[in-house]
Amino acid sequence: DQQVKQNSPSLSVQEGRISILNCDYTNSMFDYFLWYKKYPAEGPTFLISISSIKDKNEDGRFTVFLNKSAKHLSLHIVPSQPGDSAVYFCAASDSEAGGTSYGKLTFGQGTILTVHP
Amino acid sequence: NAGVTQTPKFQVLKTGQSMTLQCAQDMNHNSMYWYRQDPGMGLRLIYYSASEGTTDKGEVPNGYNVSRLNKREFSLRLESAAPSQTSVYFCASGGLAGRRETQYFGPGTRLLVL
Repeated sequence: DQQVKQNSPSLSVQEGRISILNCDYTNSMFDYFLWYKKYPAEGPTFLISISSIKDKNEDGRFTVFLNKSAKHLSLHIVPSQPGDSAVYFCAASDSEAGGTSYGKLTFGQGTILTVHP
Repeated sequence: NAGVTQTPKFQVLKTGQSMTLQCAQDMNHNSMYWYRQDPGMGLRLIYYSASEGTTDKGEVPNGYNVSRLNKREFSLRLESAAPSQTSVYFCASGGLAGRRETQYFGPGTRLLVL
């Protein structure tokens, strides 16, 4: 049972345009969401996160939107650059009973983003 | 400040052989994690350690054991490797960003079991 899904295996955009990567989840207990970027032969790198008490978080060219009622989040990259070409993973965690501070992550399958010059 | 380091980078094993994957972090994080990544799939949690002295199973623990040697080091052991354990293994450590944790990953170990 895939609790976090990225239904688009790949996305191709032109340099300078907007990239929109989507992620859906089924577990209503998830309340913290993260996006990671991964280059070949490297480990995932943290990009941006959002808590369920917010519906938007921005960091430079990256914005994450959360729609809790639809159980959907998206990552917008504006403007897209060739160096953004990578695999993007969304991940989710829940605050376990007792509010423990660590967070086991459930990952989506990833979306390969290619930005053409 | 190296972050999260993993050794070895690449390993080939024969079915039935054993090996230990090493992971160390220098960020003074309490929690550490082991994931595996297979083609077309996201990362799946094998084992985690919320703090020094504790370990717990994740989503796919069968065939693996772990040791939290100290706060810095968290190793993953395959006692009798199987071809199904061919994968890329990532170690991560977790640091608090506000009240919630962000995980930082090592570069990975590529394991091929023949």
